[in-house]
Amino acid sequence: QKEVEQDPGPLSVPEGAIVSLNCTYSNSAFQYFMWYRQYSRKGPELLMYTYSSGNKEDGRFTAQVDKSSKYISLFIRDSQPSDSATYLCAMKDDKIIFGKGTRLHILP
Amino acid sequence: DGGITQSPKYLFRKEGQNVTLSCEQNLNHDAMYWYRQDPGQGLRLIYYSQIVNDFQKGDIAEGYSVSREKKESFPLTVTSAQKNPTAFYLCASSVAGGRETQYFGPGTRLLVL
Repeated sequence: QKEVEQDPGPLSVPEGAIVSLNCTYSNSAFQYFMWYRQYSRKGPELLMYTYSSGNKEDGRFTAQVDKSSKYISLFIRDSQPSDSATYLCAMKDDKIIFGKGTRLHILP
Repeated sequence: DGGITQSPKYLFRKEGQNVTLSCEQNLNHDAMYWYRQDPGQGLRLIYYSQIVNDFQKGDIAEGYSVSREKKESFPLTVTSAQKNPTAFYLCASSVAGGRETQYFGPGTRLLVL
């Protein structure tokens, strides 16, 4: 089993829809969870940073961590064409492990 | 503005040639990292450094070398021993090499002529 699993997509949704992006992991020692957004040919940009379980909201973005299920999610409300990018999950204990990313397309 | 800069944006390497990718940060971060990104393979760690004059190999260090002579600079050399260097190279930094999250530069795309 891979340490972090993330569906590569692409995921296509209409503008204004709620987007749900997910990652599963196997290492129960992970305590820090992050989501990065990466536009084509650009470096990843940190979107959300969460410690342990629970929810964190920032504008249209909500990060959710369920440590009992080893499952993390990123929700995007009122999705916009500018949200079209690859979204990477990342998890950290003593080192950081990245998912391979999900490509998201928001259709105008 | 604080941030991480990488240069050049595009780099072309001839067979048998060593090339050096630049990474500079003015965030006063102690730790710096180099990743390689290939389509469908995610980010793979090449080298990292938690303090000046010290660095460690990551998961795919063969064919690469680094130096850390200054806190703000962490150049990566892709040597001729790296047989498949075409990739997108990302530099990152963090406050310390422990639990703090990483911030990325804009990347350098390396192509082989």
